[in-house]
Amino acid sequence: AQTVTQSQPEMSVQEAETVTLSCTYDTSESNYYLFWYKQPPSRQMILVIRQEAYKQQNATENRFSVNFQKAAKSFSLKISDSQLGDTAMYFCAFMTQGGSEKLVFGKGTKLTVNP
Amino acid sequence: DAMVIQNPRYQVTQFGKPVTLSCSQTLNHNVMYWYQQKSSQAPKLLFHYYDKDFNNEADTPDNFQSRRPNTSFCFLDIRSPGLGDTAMYLCATSRGIGGNTEAFFGQGTRLTVV
Repeated sequence: AQTVTQSQPEMSVQEAETVTLSCTYDTSESNYYLFWYKQPPSRQMILVIRQEAYKQQNATENRFSVNFQKAAKSFSLKISDSQLGDTAMYFCAFMTQGGSEKLVFGKGTKLTVNP
Repeated sequence: DAMVIQNPRYQVTQFGKPVTLSCSQTLNHNVMYWYQQKSSQAPKLLFHYYDKDFNNEADTPDNFQSRRPNTSFCFLDIRSPGLGDTAMYLCATSRGIGGNTEAFFGQGTRLTVV
């Protein structure tokens, strides 16, 4: 079974600064996807960034980047130049590939960006 | 334009009274998921369909059932809701054939059992 662990229940950062959210996972699969999803208060879950396990290069989307360490089963999210609109719950998620496409989430990190 | 649509957005039901939540998608995705999310918690996968193949999670109560009559629609049936079933229910879809896949979420149905 796949498990996703987020060890930081809450974090805060000052506007314009950089913050890193941690995620580790456990799987015996070799092909899978990893995601970071953002869920603003009372709003829809949206994708922040995606990483294919077979790719060694870390994914980047504007201010968001990941540090993917496959051997260590680690997948952290770095948010640069934090903005007030980044305040949200952030969920790390794992999807199997080529099978049932099961998608499981970590417990989430509540990020607050302070002015 | 909304791609994953959940109805209703809010539902109040009485203890023990069956309730059905609806999800539709315009993405023609193969996979549809149902999650239960309680306040300030992670989404918990209840079950998902890959096309017509139903995948139930081992810890999903028997009280929860699902139907997928066609590619576009998926339903969550709660046969005898208890107070502990009060939660947000999220529907999501994914393409399911590999390559740049991601899950798209609906806005959720907030269910209150009274």
